Amino acid sequence: DAEITQSPRHKITETGRQVTLACHQTWNHNNMFWYRQDLGHGLRLIHYSYGVHDTNKGEVSDGYSVSRSNTEDLPLTLESAASSQTSVYFCASSDRADTQYFGPGTRLTVL
Amino acid sequence: SQQGEEDPQALSIQEGENATMNCSYKTSINNLQWYRQNSGRGLVHLILIRSNEREKHSGRLRVTLDTSKKSSSLLITASRAADTASYFCATGGATNKLIFGTGTLLAVQP
Repeated sequence: DAEITQSPRHKITETGRQVTLACHQTWNHNNMFWYRQDLGHGLRLIHYSYGVHDTNKGEVSDGYSVSRSNTEDLPLTLESAASSQTSVYFCASSDRADTQYFGPGTRLTVL
Repeated sequence: SQQGEEDPQALSIQEGENATMNCSYKTSINNLQWYRQNSGRGLVHLILIRSNEREKHSGRLRVTLDTSKKSSSLLITASRAADTASYFCATGGATNKLIFGTGTLLAVQP
């Protein structure tokens, strides 16, 4: 069965370190998205991609970057982790402008 | 900024009762979707209603959409303890992006 996976599921890091969160989907979807979820804010879009070599900034992109070298993967990099980036991160993919399929999430703590 | 605002923020009901959640949004949309999130899990798509539809059913779920009022409601009938979760509305526009609301936390007491 097709699926979307994220790794690691939990990560603790220190302020200033570079961190990369992985997202891998086997749906063969062109569209992929990264969100962060914080209490009181719901899900906020960080970056998204509509296909290989395409990346776009979302609502809260500062301090984050993505690259899309193939259809299956969209890694999210925190260039220099800050305590404000402590959050739960979700990756999602979609085929068209409708249903998004979500990964299980990565809980990131920045100390 | 959030497009959708759910109401209420939290809802507690008894098993067997109906649960109604509302969503209001600000701009024109192509579709509106509802997602469920169990504690510690990713979101799961429940139902999608397009802007030219007024009502849609899926099992125990009923969704209505009023584009003139920019609002939608999700009704879960005959609720079960397993329905305990957070429910989010999300609006889809001209792009392939969704904008999510802040969610309603539903607790169904057995």
